Amino acid sequence: AQSVTQLDSQVPVFEEAPVELRCNYSSSVSVYLFWYVQYPNQGLQLLLKYLSGSTLVKGINGFEAEFNKSQTSFHLRKPSVHISDTAEYFCAVTRNTGGFKTIFGAGTRLFVKA
Amino acid sequence: SAVISQKPSRDICQRGTSLTIQCQVDSQVTMMFWYRQQPGQSLTLIATANQGSEATYESGFVIDKFPISRPNLTFSTLTVSNLSPEDSSIYLCSVETGGNYEQYFGPGTRLTVT
Repeated sequence: AQSVTQLDSQVPVFEEAPVELRCNYSSSVSVYLFWYVQYPNQGLQLLLKYLSGSTLVKGINGFEAEFNKSQTSFHLRKPSVHISDTAEYFCAVTRNTGGFKTIFGAGTRLFVKA
Repeated sequence: SAVISQKPSRDICQRGTSLTIQCQVDSQVTMMFWYRQQPGQSLTLIATANQGSEATYESGFVIDKFPISRPNLTFSTLTVSNLSPEDSSIYLCSVETGGNYEQYFGPGTRLTVT
């Protein structure tokens, strides 16, 4: 079974400050890790993904995430946020063993203040 | 990548009726998925719809309530039957393309049941 825990439901931050959105997961099989973003009144889009290789992955809009296998974490970071980063961020794990299936975390609402 | 459209974008339906949601993709894809996103919550997988086979439903979702069709590699429908207010949600379709395990999402259908 897979599960995804996003440790913060809401993260308020001032513009140009750094931010980290935390994600922990558990799985009995190998999984692939993703962050998706949902801007207000829009659909989900991929921010970044980890499939294999380097544990530090870079995505769109200056975001990056680090896969930590020992801590089963995949935290999302950005060194300096903008007002336009205000959105809902979802961590997700996908397995392809025993069928393709993605489990999403509960989401973290990032609110960037001026 | 893939561009996905959904119809309708929103609807208000009466209790006891049904709504059929259409999902159209701009390229041929094998795997399509239907998700439900209840207000303020994360995405929950309803079923996987692969062309040429019966849809596979997740625990808690049954074919009688959520019948799915997948007539070809670019189109699918989800029907939500015998509507109740608890069915008020956003319904999203997504596809996986190219073996990268990432998903592309449609804009969603916002259903309100009165």
